[in-house]
Amino acid sequence: GQQLNQSPQSMFIQEGEDVSMNCTSSSIFNTWLWYKQDPGEGPVLLIALYKAGELTSNGRLTAQFGITRKDSFLNISASIPSDVGIYFCAGQLRGGSNYKLTFGKGTLLTVNP
Amino acid sequence: DGGITQSPKYLFRKEGQNVTLSCEQNLNHDAMYWYRQDPGQGLRLIYYSQIVNDFQKGDIAEGYSVSREKKESFPLTVTSAQKNPTAFYLCASSKDGTFNTEAFFGQGTRLTVV
Repeated sequence: GQQLNQSPQSMFIQEGEDVSMNCTSSSIFNTWLWYKQDPGEGPVLLIALYKAGELTSNGRLTAQFGITRKDSFLNISASIPSDVGIYFCAGQLRGGSNYKLTFGKGTLLTVNP
Repeated sequence: DGGITQSPKYLFRKEGQNVTLSCEQNLNHDAMYWYRQDPGQGLRLIYYSQIVNDFQKGDIAEGYSVSREKKESFPLTVTSAQKNPTAFYLCASSKDGTFNTEAFFGQGTRLTVV
């Protein structure tokens, strides 16, 4: 089946720093989604990408759908303490009956005030 | 407010007992999903449903069962056949299962089997 490699597994940064994380796939996707999960809560959708090369922003967050359709990255600028959490990428290849989302294992972000 | 509601938030059961986790949505979404999350792991798909009265197995369906009798509801039963049921369970829904795949999640149910 499809596999997603998400990196890094964890990050420790100082408040105000920029953050970058990425996901790569063994096969192509035509949808990439980025989620954030707070401890003990469900993931919340941050950004959705539907087109190769697409670059989308949501406040201090920016995500891009790679040209090869096998990767995506998420950047967070000027991090703040409430950015702490686990960030997940999810990819989907739509077609026929195969439309389920495949999730990466997450990037744990810690922001030191 | 529109959203997905999972209940209960925490659930404790004795080994060998079946237990049912509730998931209700009022978003008028056609597709619903159940995921399992273990520490350090991504979300693994248990079952999904594109439409009422239809559902398919995901990657780790063994030891679980579901029903989709109503559009709003997609309960998950963790049976005694599930060898390692202690986990965080997440329910999600999307407008449909094919082209509008932005999935929205509930708050999760933490199941502990003792």
